[in-house]
Amino acid sequence: DQQVKQNSPSLSVQEGRISILNCDYTNSMFDYFLWYKKYPAEGPTFLISISSIKDKNEDGRFTVFLNKSAKHLSLHIVPSQPGDSAVYFCAASAGGTSYGKLTFGQGTILTVHP
Amino acid sequence: GAGVSQSPSNKVTEKGKDVELRCDPISGHTALYWYRQSLGQGLEFLIYFQGNSAPDKSGLPSDRFSAERTGGSVSTLTIQRTQQEDSAVYLCASSLVNLASETQYFGPGTRLLVL
Repeated sequence: DQQVKQNSPSLSVQEGRISILNCDYTNSMFDYFLWYKKYPAEGPTFLISISSIKDKNEDGRFTVFLNKSAKHLSLHIVPSQPGDSAVYFCAASAGGTSYGKLTFGQGTILTVHP
Repeated sequence: GAGVSQSPSNKVTEKGKDVELRCDPISGHTALYWYRQSLGQGLEFLIYFQGNSAPDKSGLPSDRFSAERTGGSVSTLTIQRTQQEDSAVYLCASSLVNLASETQYFGPGTRLLVL
């Protein structure tokens, strides 16, 4: 049962354009959402997060949007840069006694072309 | 400062053998997590430790998997009688405390191949 889904295995964009990565979830108990970025042969690194009490969180070129009614979140990268090329994972937490127990999506490979 | 380290970085073993994977968390981090990533899949939660509390083992896929954390620091994930489906990248992460809002810092992973 895949509770967090990233339906696009890959995304290719031109440098300077917007990258939009999408994520859907099914568990209505999830109340905290995160995006991680992963380069080959490295562990994932935290990018940005959002609590379920918000619908948007911005950090520089990265913005995460949360639509609770649709159980959907997205990551916008503007402008995209070649160094953003990586695998992006969305993750969710159900809080309670398992705050840090993250459920991850399958990942989306982002390629930004110069 | 030093990040999360894992050893070995790669491990090739024969089906039926036992393997031990090691994780050194960031100093002072009380929470430690193990995940695995099978080919083409996302990260799958295995187990987490928070201080001296009983670990949450709810993600361990079978009783062949076990983990311990000695002295609140180093952790070892043991897989007994390995099977080919155990082949994956095993990732360890640590955070200051066990809260979703606390960033989990990941190690580079151990790539396990069971022949």
